[in-house]
Amino acid sequence: NAGVTQTPKFQVLKTGQSMTLQCAQDMNHEYMSWYRQDPGMGLRLIHYSVGAGITDQGEVPNGYNVSRSTTEDFPLRLLSAAPSQTSVYFCASRGPTVNTEAFFGQGTRLTVV
Amino acid sequence: AQSVTQPDIHITVSEGASLELRCNYSYGATPYLFWYVQSPGQGLQLLLKYFSGDTLVQGIKGFEAEFKRSQSSFNLRKPSVHWSDAAEYFCAVGGSNYQLIWGAGTKLIIKP
Repeated sequence: NAGVTQTPKFQVLKTGQSMTLQCAQDMNHEYMSWYRQDPGMGLRLIHYSVGAGITDQGEVPNGYNVSRSTTEDFPLRLLSAAPSQTSVYFCASRGPTVNTEAFFGQGTRLTVV
Repeated sequence: AQSVTQPDIHITVSEGASLELRCNYSYGATPYLFWYVQSPGQGLQLLLKYFSGDTLVQGIKGFEAEFKRSQSSFNLRKPSVHWSDAAEYFCAVGGSNYQLIWGAGTKLIIKP
């Protein structure tokens, strides 16, 4: 029973590099989202998707891209990494109704130098 | 604007003492309320949730929370904390769309 799986767990990037954070869920959830977590700021929504082929921006989308080609996968791409993107990133999925909870991956700790 | 406020950034409690973590929200419609816990280096785990009905909800690990509509609050309580409860706790509110609004979190420190 894997739930939400994120890879990698840790990553160090140089400024200007690009990379993709992977997220997969096996619960057949339509709603998936990406958050970043910074000290004292809680979770901030980057992008979300309400189903395959549908994505939308959250609170802090700049510098990030997403796509949703399947129900299971929701990768997050950093186009040109900047030190301000140093953070912990979480992927989450939710069930078919709005009164269901979010399930989280273990997170990716990203450092941009 | 929709928001969630957790007024305490840190709380220190002695092991065995009672605990209350505060959460206040501003939300225009009927809220769905959640408490999550995050242990160091881990993802977030659901403690409990409120959707409707009884305003006192029970969760995992001996936690409970009470929804008070008149005070726009959803405070988390535990009668006796254990050292393993040391973690960060997040309150969140959702509604008719799928997005959740998160508080900034409260870090719980347990004194031996």
